[in-house]
Amino acid sequence: SQQGEEDPQALSIQEGENATMNCSYKTSINNLQWYRQNSGRGLVHLILIRSNEREKHSGRLRVTLDTSKKSSSLLITASRAADTASYFCARRERDDKIIFGKGTRLHILP
Amino acid sequence: KAGVTQTPRYLIKTRGQQVTLSCSPISGHRSVSWYQQTPGQGLQFLFEYFSETQRNKGNFPGRFSGRQFSNSRSEMNVSTLELGDSALYLCASSTTQGAGNTIYFGEGSWLTVV
Repeated sequence: SQQGEEDPQALSIQEGENATMNCSYKTSINNLQWYRQNSGRGLVHLILIRSNEREKHSGRLRVTLDTSKKSSSLLITASRAADTASYFCARRERDDKIIFGKGTRLHILP
Repeated sequence: KAGVTQTPRYLIKTRGQQVTLSCSPISGHRSVSWYQQTPGQGLQFLFEYFSETQRNKGNFPGRFSGRQFSNSRSEMNVSTLELGDSALYLCASSTTQGAGNTIYFGEGSWLTVV
């Protein structure tokens, strides 16, 4: 499959805990982006990380990229109820096609 | 600045019919891409347009087509609808095509084929 693999498929954690989601892929990429999607809505862009970058931060979000392992991770610290959503990684490959992973469904428990 | 606007938001069509979905990108954005999202297949890339030219295409049958106008607005068309075409169709825009450009999504058009 062209799609990347995200794990876990689903994650439930207590409010205040940290959540980590991973994304793996098979081919070379130009960049990788993480998105959040609330049920039935459009995707909200979180972070873009370029292939020559290893780590980026945005507020409570931290994204890492390991091109040697062809993997990326998204860390959400101090989770909140509003973080409940599906999270997707999307990579732009060398042929410029954009490939999405299947996503991680994150549920924050009160 | 207004976001990506998609119309209609919801529609129901019958098998065999055709449908046209519309997308207005963020002002100043010249690249528009389309995606299909289903529970089984996830998010799949349909095609990408830049300056009225299709620059990239996913693995969808010829029943799926699109175009982009000089004002960057885009439409996608699905002919001879099948039940399996029921999905959320998402449009996204970016300033230019290529690596390093953040892609912004609209809220999507929910298509149900009966």
